[in-house]
Amino acid sequence: SAVISQKPSRDICQRGTSLTIQCQVDSQVTMMFWYRQQPGQSLTLIATANQGSEATYESGFVIDKFPISRPNLTFSTLTVSNMSPEDSSIYLCSATLRENIQYFGAGTRLSVL
Amino acid sequence: SQQGEEDPQALSIQEGENATMNCSYKTSINNLQWYRQNSGRGLVHLILIRSNEREKHSGRLRVTLDTSKKSSSLLITASRAADTASYFCATDANDYKLSFGAGTTVTVRA
Repeated sequence: SAVISQKPSRDICQRGTSLTIQCQVDSQVTMMFWYRQQPGQSLTLIATANQGSEATYESGFVIDKFPISRPNLTFSTLTVSNMSPEDSSIYLCSATLRENIQYFGAGTRLSVL
Repeated sequence: SQQGEEDPQALSIQEGENATMNCSYKTSINNLQWYRQNSGRGLVHLILIRSNEREKHSGRLRVTLDTSKKSSSLLITASRAADTASYFCATDANDYKLSFGAGTTVTVRA
């Protein structure tokens, strides 16, 4: 298994600002993922982050709005840029090990005023 | 993208009763996984069943998979208050991503 540390756990931000969410894994992993989850809803994949290559974004998500870094095999960041109230959500990171089992961070609860 | 559909959306049971939830999906899969999410937390992996398996057990959990019907069920036996959570199925269609269902919210009453 893997332990994923995600921070911040929550934040309240003003519109127009940016927030960077960090995700640290306690072992080396090839693939990391970033999701968005509205309260009471399922997970929506934002992008996949592989070390050494650019992130792969899902339809409806763009790099300018959600830039991702993956500098090594244990760390990734997601930035939510130029925030608006519609960006208020829970953001989750995960990492995959064997058989595509994903291990999740505790999530970042973001509120944009 | 969301491939799985789960039912019921919500389930309320008495402590000690069994809870059953179902997941249906649309494409062929490599495996199907179930995850639990406690309120305000990340998801925790519960159990994985491969496409060539029909049933799997882990503690109080029993998972079935019917690939001909493209459906799976999760049974939690002798439920406890700590089982109160949302449960998600996730399908691995042999690529690197998982597709999560809409989830079933389970409330266990003391």
